[in-house]
Amino acid sequence: DTGVSQNPRHKITKRGQNVTFRCDPISEHNRLYWYRQTLGQGPEFLTYFQNEAQLEKSRLLSDRFSAERPKGSFSTLEIQRTEQGDSAMYLCASSLTGTTEGGYTFGSGTRLTVV
Amino acid sequence: AQRVTQPEKLLSVFKGAPVELKCNYSYSGSPELFWYVQYSRQRLQLLLRHISRESIKGFTADLNKGETSFHLKKPFAQEEDSAMYYCALGAGGTSYGKLTFGQGTILTVHP
Repeated sequence: DTGVSQNPRHKITKRGQNVTFRCDPISEHNRLYWYRQTLGQGPEFLTYFQNEAQLEKSRLLSDRFSAERPKGSFSTLEIQRTEQGDSAMYLCASSLTGTTEGGYTFGSGTRLTVV
Repeated sequence: AQRVTQPEKLLSVFKGAPVELKCNYSYSGSPELFWYVQYSRQRLQLLLRHISRESIKGFTADLNKGETSFHLKKPFAQEEDSAMYYCALGAGGTSYGKLTFGQGTILTVHP
């Protein structure tokens, strides 16, 4: 297990297209988080899962965004009808349930550019 | 609502000088606070957490509930400390585990 893995590392898409990102968490971590980071800002919370259940979604997550975590393992984040404002780094992180003491383990992120 | 403020976007010091990165938070519950660091071309990683009261790479941070602060300090900065630093606040209740990040401070340590 080499940590949290995110694919692809970079994605360039035309406005209006759909994109999907994948995150593979640390295998024993049952919580998985998605964050978005734009230039000059800290990571902003999007949504998180405990096992396969999506427990919370941010208001930032419009109806064009959908996230899944089938079988409580990897997760996908899909953005439909992309807009230029969706250009950002999308970060995935994982942790163990019931504590924030261990903190998160982050992936390297997927950088999305919408042209 | 939770909020984290890091008032300095940029901080420059010389090697061997003390450094303090400021972090203030707003939260009505019992806070859990963290410092994360991102070195050049590396992923975001946990530096330290208030609950552990530990020193990592010479850095310490004390939670001051009266001032709602969690400043990061190091008595003698090193060039390898140059990085982006984020303060983060952990929520409780149903959002347990969710972190709210500050905007970050870029620390540059000059030789």
